[in-house]
Amino acid sequence: AQSVTQLGSHVSVSEGALVLLRCNYSSSVPPYLFWYVQYPNQGLQLLLKYTTGATLVKGINGFEAEFKKSETSFHLTKPSAHMSDAAEYFCAVSDQAAGNKLTFGGGTRVLVKP
Amino acid sequence: DAGVIQSPRHEVTEMGQEVTLRCKPISGHDYLFWYRQTMMRGLELLIYFNNNVPIDDSGMPEDRFSAKMPNASFSTLKIQPSEPRDSAVYFCASSDRREQYFGPGTRLTVT
Repeated sequence: AQSVTQLGSHVSVSEGALVLLRCNYSSSVPPYLFWYVQYPNQGLQLLLKYTTGATLVKGINGFEAEFKKSETSFHLTKPSAHMSDAAEYFCAVSDQAAGNKLTFGGGTRVLVKP
Repeated sequence: DAGVIQSPRHEVTEMGQEVTLRCKPISGHDYLFWYRQTMMRGLELLIYFNNNVPIDDSGMPEDRFSAKMPNASFSTLKIQPSEPRDSAVYFCASSDRREQYFGPGTRLTVT
């Protein structure tokens, strides 16, 4: 069985500061890992994904994440927060054998202060 | 492509009524997923289909919930009878095995 743990259900950052959202996973097979963003009253949008190859993955809107197998982590970062980054972020691990069936973490809501 | 389409976007109904949520996946995708999102339980996978066949419905809360996929371009999630605890946002997503694409969701309120 797969699982995802996101540390911190709420994160508050100042505009221009570093955004760091933590994600740890467990998986019995090599994982595919994803970060999704959800803006208010909208569906989930893919930010970035790790499948194989380079462990540092760059996504949209200046976000990136690094897959660390030894730490079973896939933390999401952005060097400088923008007001438009206020949203909820979900980390997910995929069951590749099930058409990319996803197991989600509990989500982290990001508040950006001016 | 227009993406995953869900209807209605908002549904308000009274307890005991039947509710039907609809989803049109992205053309060519062979997997379809139904999720429920609540404050208390987060995002839960209810059921998923592969080539129109239900594969795993272990997330369906109880017998009041049913889902069908009569063809590759349409799926429904039905709740009968509805209860206030079913109030949530229901998402449909389709997959080409590389990535899941989510619809905008249906916000269901049962009074």
